[in-house]
Amino acid sequence: AQSVTQLGSHVSVSEGALVLLRCNYSSSVPPYLFWYVQYPNQGLQLLLKYTTGATLVKGINGFEAEFKKSETSFHLTKPSAHMSDAAEYFCAVTRGTGGFKTIFGAGTRLFVKA
Amino acid sequence: GAGVSQSPSNKVTEKGKDVELRCDPISGHTALYWYRQRLGQGLEFLIYFQGNSAPDKSGLPSDRFSAERTGESVSTLTIQRTQQEDSAVYLCACTRDRGHEQYFGPGTRLTVT
Repeated sequence: AQSVTQLGSHVSVSEGALVLLRCNYSSSVPPYLFWYVQYPNQGLQLLLKYTTGATLVKGINGFEAEFKKSETSFHLTKPSAHMSDAAEYFCAVTRGTGGFKTIFGAGTRLFVKA
Repeated sequence: GAGVSQSPSNKVTEKGKDVELRCDPISGHTALYWYRQRLGQGLEFLIYFQGNSAPDKSGLPSDRFSAERTGESVSTLTIQRTQQEDSAVYLCACTRDRGHEQYFGPGTRLTVT
């Protein structure tokens, strides 16, 4: 069965500082991995995804994530935080084969301090 | 339409009543998901439909919850004998293929009084 663990329900950074949101997954088959963002009072939208190929994937708004199979991780990073990055971030895993079921992590709320 | 739509956007109901939530997915998207998001919490998987295959109902919290989908079109989530703990935002999402992103609807905010 798949599962997703996001370390830290809340992360606070200063504007301009590095953003690191952690995600570890478990999957018995090759996973497809996603990060979604939910801005206040808005719906979820895709930030980036990994399916196959290059393990470092770039998304919108300067975010990127690296798939590390040996560590079963898919951490999200951004070199320099902006106030507009304050939101809830969700990591998700889908089986790479045999079905569509997607499991989401509990989410990490990012706070950006001026 | 261009995106996923859900109706109603808000629903207030009395404890014990039944409610029906509707999701209109993007045309051609074969998989459809329902999630529940309680205030300040993450997404809780409820059920997903994949084409004409039997749905995965493993996330439904009780037998008061049920969902239907006809082919690759509209889906309805029904909650019978609503309880206060059912209060949440119910999100619908769809995807056209396994490796592709999910497109989320705006959600239905359910309040059980």
